[in-house]
Amino acid sequence: GNSVTQMEGPVTLSEEAFLTINCTYTATGYPSLFWYVQYPGEGLQLLLKATKADDKGSNKGFEATYRKETTSFHLEKGSVQVSDSAVYFCALVSPGGYNKLIFGAGTRLAVHP
Amino acid sequence: GAVVSQHPSWVICKSGTSVKIECRSLDFQATTMFWYRQFPKQSLMLMATSNEGSKATYEQGVEKDKFLINHASLTLSTLTVTSAHPEDSSFYICSARGDWSTDTQYFGPGTRLTVL
Repeated sequence: GNSVTQMEGPVTLSEEAFLTINCTYTATGYPSLFWYVQYPGEGLQLLLKATKADDKGSNKGFEATYRKETTSFHLEKGSVQVSDSAVYFCALVSPGGYNKLIFGAGTRLAVHP
Repeated sequence: GAVVSQHPSWVICKSGTSVKIECRSLDFQATTMFWYRQFPKQSLMLMATSNEGSKATYEQGVEKDKFLINHASLTLSTLTVTSAHPEDSSFYICSARGDWSTDTQYFGPGTRLTVL
């Protein structure tokens, strides 16, 4: 079946450090891939998405590249800020899956000054 | 654009009462709305999918008689937790999708339900 695996957190970084959160997936066909962010006490916000192989999604300094050969969609940011502290969810929508989002477990990021 | 609201943002109720949560798409018409449940420090669990004007499709293990979903218009879906019990306490999040051609869901801010 379709699934998403994320690196376990929490990830703790100092401000301006480089961030990578790993995400790999298992799916039939060519899924669309997403990163969502959840700030404390809030719902999810779409951070970025990619719909086909080699696409790069980017937003607010974050980026992720759809790698079909490694079935990965790792999230990166060159210089994190304290305000980036949140939980990050990798997710996929599989074609023919009635647009159901399948989420990874989430990775908590804490950025310290 | 693509703003989804939920009301209330939090609710506390007594065991045995029913609670209704509203989910609205504010600036687009949502052909499909989804309801999720999230336990502390865990991922989201899809409860049901609802298409405007038709019955909701519930995920395996979700009691349809306990979690009543109505999607009466293209901008409003409601989730009613009937005869709530403490184990129903959770964070409930809805999302909406604009049309059949898109696979992007936009999420509401969530509703925290506490059942005493």
